Amino acid sequence: GDSVIQMQGQVTLSENDFLFINCTYSTTGYPTLFWYVQYSGEGPQLLLQVTTANNKGSSRGFEATYDKGTTSFHLQKTSVQEIDSAVYYCAMRGGGYKVVFGSGTRLLVSP
Amino acid sequence: EAAVTQSPRNKVTVTGGNVTLSCRQTNSHNYMYWYRQDTGHGLRLIHYSYGAGNLQIGDVPDGYKATRTTQEDFFLLLELASPSQTSLYFCASSVPGQGNTGQLYFGEGSKLTVL
Repeated sequence: GDSVIQMQGQVTLSENDFLFINCTYSTTGYPTLFWYVQYSGEGPQLLLQVTTANNKGSSRGFEATYDKGTTSFHLQKTSVQEIDSAVYYCAMRGGGYKVVFGSGTRLLVSP
Repeated sequence: EAAVTQSPRNKVTVTGGNVTLSCRQTNSHNYMYWYRQDTGHGLRLIHYSYGAGNLQIGDVPDGYKATRTTQEDFFLLLELASPSQTSLYFCASSVPGQGNTGQLYFGEGSKLTVL
């Protein structure tokens, strides 16, 4: 079945550092790939999405890229700020409307 | 902005207890989902539905029932709660359609503790 693997459980950075989070996916369908962000005490919210029609997405200074050959997708930001501290989830919708999530990456950014 | 409201926000019960978590969305979205969130596991899909009377099985359905009574309302039922079901539960909705890739709109979560 559909699955997403997100290996980095926690990332600790300083302000202005470069962020890179990687996920791999598996599906027999045509995937739509998402990055969600969850701030403390809130539900997850969409950060950006990437479809197979375009290999990139961007929002709020974050950029996502997707590599069909390695079935992986990445989230990156050139210069993180303390307000970016949150939990980031990769997610995938395969051919239907089932949406599966990775295990999440907690980002801690120190000033 | 889609609105998804969950109740109760906090619930404590005992082993063997009966719990119903409620979710209402007010934007006539077709799809609704129940996830549980646990440290180290992220968000895991319990059940989902594409309309009133429909139910689809997710990845961790054991011990849970769900019912979609209307377009707006989706309920998660734990008939014999166990400590392993202590978790933070999220409801979400989405709407399919041409050009729409199915973004999920989440509620604020329901924290369940089973003693």
